[in-house]
Amino acid sequence: QKEVEQNSGPLSVPEGAIASLNCTYSDRGSQSFFWYRQYSGKSPELIMSIYSNGDKEDGRFTAQLNKASQYVSLLIRDSQPSDSATYLCAVSGNNRKLIWGLGTSLAVNP
Amino acid sequence: DTAVSQTPKYLVTQMGNDKSIKCEQNLGHDTMYWYKQDSKKFLKIMFSYNNKELIINETVPNRFSPKSPDKAHLNLHINSLELGDSAVYFCASSPGGMNTEAFFGQGTRLTVV
Repeated sequence: QKEVEQNSGPLSVPEGAIASLNCTYSDRGSQSFFWYRQYSGKSPELIMSIYSNGDKEDGRFTAQLNKASQYVSLLIRDSQPSDSATYLCAVSGNNRKLIWGLGTSLAVNP
Repeated sequence: DTAVSQTPKYLVTQMGNDKSIKCEQNLGHDTMYWYKQDSKKFLKIMFSYNNKELIINETVPNRFSPKSPDKAHLNLHINSLELGDSAVYFCASSPGGMNTEAFFGQGTRLTVV
């Protein structure tokens, strides 16, 4: 089992819809969870960090963490074409290393 | 104004050559990293330094040697370049270690021919 798993996509949503991106992880001792956005040919850019169970909202973005089920998700409300990118999930575990998923490609169609 | 800057942005070189990539951050962060992103877009950590001290050294060929002259700089030297070294190399920094958010440089696209 991969340490951090994401559906590679592509996930295609119409403009204005909610995009839901999911990530599961294997290390139960993981403590820090991050969502990054990476446009093609660019570097990863931090969108959200979450450390405790529940929801965390920042503008159109909501991160949801469920440690019991070992998943973290990212919701993007009112999706815009500019949100089209690869979204990377990163999890910091007991050994304090950051483990990255392969990313989910999101396409928002006008 | 750039937070994490690395040079060069593109590097094309022949097999067997030695090359260096430089990285500087002006965020005052204690921790810096080198990541490799291959053609499948998998982001893999190579090295991590905290206050000039090497704390993570993943299974990376010893042809790759990082050097941190001070906590704001982390350079990567690669000896005897191979075709498989072709990738994008990202420098990053974070304020408090690997369980804090990382800020990335723009990347160096290395092509070995």
